Amino acid sequence: GAGVSQSPSNKVTEKGKDVELRCDPISGHTALYWYRQSLGQGLEFLIYFQGNSAPDKSGLPSDRFSAERTGGSVSTLTIQRTQQEDSAVYLCASSFGDRGHAEAFFGQGTRLTVV
Amino acid sequence: EDKVVQSPLSLVVHEGDTVTLNCSYEVTNFRSLLWYKQEKKAPTFLFMLTSSGIEKKSGRLSSILDKKELFSILNITATQTGDSAIYLCAVRQGAQKLVFGQGTRLTINP
Repeated sequence: GAGVSQSPSNKVTEKGKDVELRCDPISGHTALYWYRQSLGQGLEFLIYFQGNSAPDKSGLPSDRFSAERTGGSVSTLTIQRTQQEDSAVYLCASSFGDRGHAEAFFGQGTRLTVV
Repeated sequence: EDKVVQSPLSLVVHEGDTVTLNCSYEVTNFRSLLWYKQEKKAPTFLFMLTSSGIEKKSGRLSSILDKKELFSILNITATQTGDSAIYLCAVRQGAQKLVFGQGTRLTINP
């Protein structure tokens, strides 16, 4: 596609429910990133996928968070048993990740509200 | 620990003023430094810097990198209300993740 696409744009869920957030990267981009941004805060790294390599999961805050990337393209971030502190904007970005000099482009994000 | 620190965290100026935003970093395996502008949800790309001392310029915005002192600045001249946003600095480590600073919230008053 022309840009990084994320869905849904907004999600309100009840505490304890599971949610899935989707990211469709720019076609041809091998690297895909998930970040989280709480209100008034900077971007917190969650997970990074590069081609067929094992993902860098070092930023996932707990084992309730997981992500997968199927066929090197679309990625899904899953949060199980959501908590109120999970409320944030979840941003996905993609880039030509096999070069260290490639800019990353962001999607519009998913605003998750846990009530 | 790898870190990117931006300053100031918040800045309020009048339209027409010139502003300088700072970004310092301590990361292993530095590859490039990127600036983004975030108005609503999605950060939009502004500049990517890889070499010291070479200014990147786009209209009223410019940026430069100092790899010896490990910092970058973003300048905005003749500011306009549309420049109000959060400005994010990020450093790429190798071909890996981008490490972001906390951002600078810039407010331009008419």
